[in-house]
Amino acid sequence: DGGITQSPKYLFRKEGQNVTLSCEQNLNHDAMYWYRQDPGQGLRLIYYSQIVNDFQKGDIAEGYSVSREKKESFPLTVTSAQKNPTAFYLCATGEGTEAFFGQGTRLTVV
Amino acid sequence: EDQVTQSPEALRLQEGESSSLNCSYTVSGLRGLFWYRQDPGKGPEFLFTLYSAGEEKEKERLKATLTKKESFLHITAPKPEDSATYLCAVQYNVDFNKFYFGSGTKLNVKP
Repeated sequence: DGGITQSPKYLFRKEGQNVTLSCEQNLNHDAMYWYRQDPGQGLRLIYYSQIVNDFQKGDIAEGYSVSREKKESFPLTVTSAQKNPTAFYLCATGEGTEAFFGQGTRLTVV
Repeated sequence: EDQVTQSPEALRLQEGESSSLNCSYTVSGLRGLFWYRQDPGKGPEFLFTLYSAGEEKEKERLKATLTKKESFLHITAPKPEDSATYLCAVQYNVDFNKFYFGSGTKLNVKP
């Protein structure tokens, strides 16, 4: 069953905690992306990676970190430096001019 | 300045009432324009890619068209199951590593 798997679906973070969102793909795509979605706003790019062991900051990278040690995996860490982390987080993979999305992780600060 | 603007923000239709959603972009050098459908709490589902002005693509009740400055998503005789948020995204030749998304049009089709 090919696709993009994000976990967990729901995540709760306490103030000052770091949390890590998982994104795994078996589509063999080189490019992977993390987006943040807030109500009434478009998707905003956090980080992207075109190849293993390389990644680039997007438009809103502050307070986030990523790694790309394997082609299949692109985890996102939301650090305590991110002051407003409550949002819906979407992982995507890209092949040429197409991007495909996972089902998202909803992160809430409690 | 927003790279991609979608209108209207929300659209309410009666079942069978056809209409169009608009996506306009502000930068030249388009590599591709994309339409997605997003249901509440889910990831966006890919619908269409358009590459050049004059191009059209269809899928069931949806038809996407592209001009040099904008794209339209035409919905013909919509059904309640077409209710969703429709997102537009663009990719430019100068930086084809990125996709720029609009804020979406929330479509509600009433039976």
